[in-house]
Amino acid sequence: GAVVSQHPSRVICKSGTSVKIECRSLDFQATTMFWYRQFPKKSLMLMATSNEGSKATYEQGVEKDKFLINHASLTLSTLTVTSAHPEDSSFYICSARVRGSLHFGNGTRLTVT
Amino acid sequence: SQQGEEDPQALSIQEGENATMNCSYKTSINNLQWYRQNSGRGLVHLILIRSNEREKHSGRLRVTLDTSKKSSSLLITASRAADTASYFCATDDVPNFNKFYFGSGTKLNVKP
Repeated sequence: GAVVSQHPSRVICKSGTSVKIECRSLDFQATTMFWYRQFPKKSLMLMATSNEGSKATYEQGVEKDKFLINHASLTLSTLTVTSAHPEDSSFYICSARVRGSLHFGNGTRLTVT
Repeated sequence: SQQGEEDPQALSIQEGENATMNCSYKTSINNLQWYRQNSGRGLVHLILIRSNEREKHSGRLRVTLDTSKKSSSLLITASRAADTASYFCATDDVPNFNKFYFGSGTKLNVKP
């Protein structure tokens, strides 16, 4: 149980375009989801906390207009990277907390050319 | 920031040997967790230890927690090639226990 599905797994886009990443809880409801970013050979950096029906809470230094988060239902949170630039290329992972531990999606590898 | 450090950054051992990874963190916690990440994938939860616990076992995993030193260790006994992965510790944020912050990770390579 507690499966988190993230889509797409890989995306390549051109500089200046926007990319949407979806994160779904398949067999449970998630009022809160977390979005992380991971640089190569680095740890996960918490970007924001996505709250169902309300605004996301962003970590210090994360541009909320750049990384738009929407959590419109109890099973879906989306992260949109707007006007993407090569420096936005990274591995983005969503997660949801279930009984004290985090359950992660398989991540999205974003490459901006 | 809660974000901790882990050492070693990389560890290479032979199958059958034990692997020990250490994690240090900065401030008070409710619990500490260990996660595993295969290359290019999401993380998988391994074990949780609460701040009032000192040791916990799960199969071949043994976790210790020393809150006075703000450190934890993960021991994998009788390692297997399939244990090859990166291992991260994660701590929650006491004022906002809903948030988790991850250490820098240890990349474990178990040679067959």
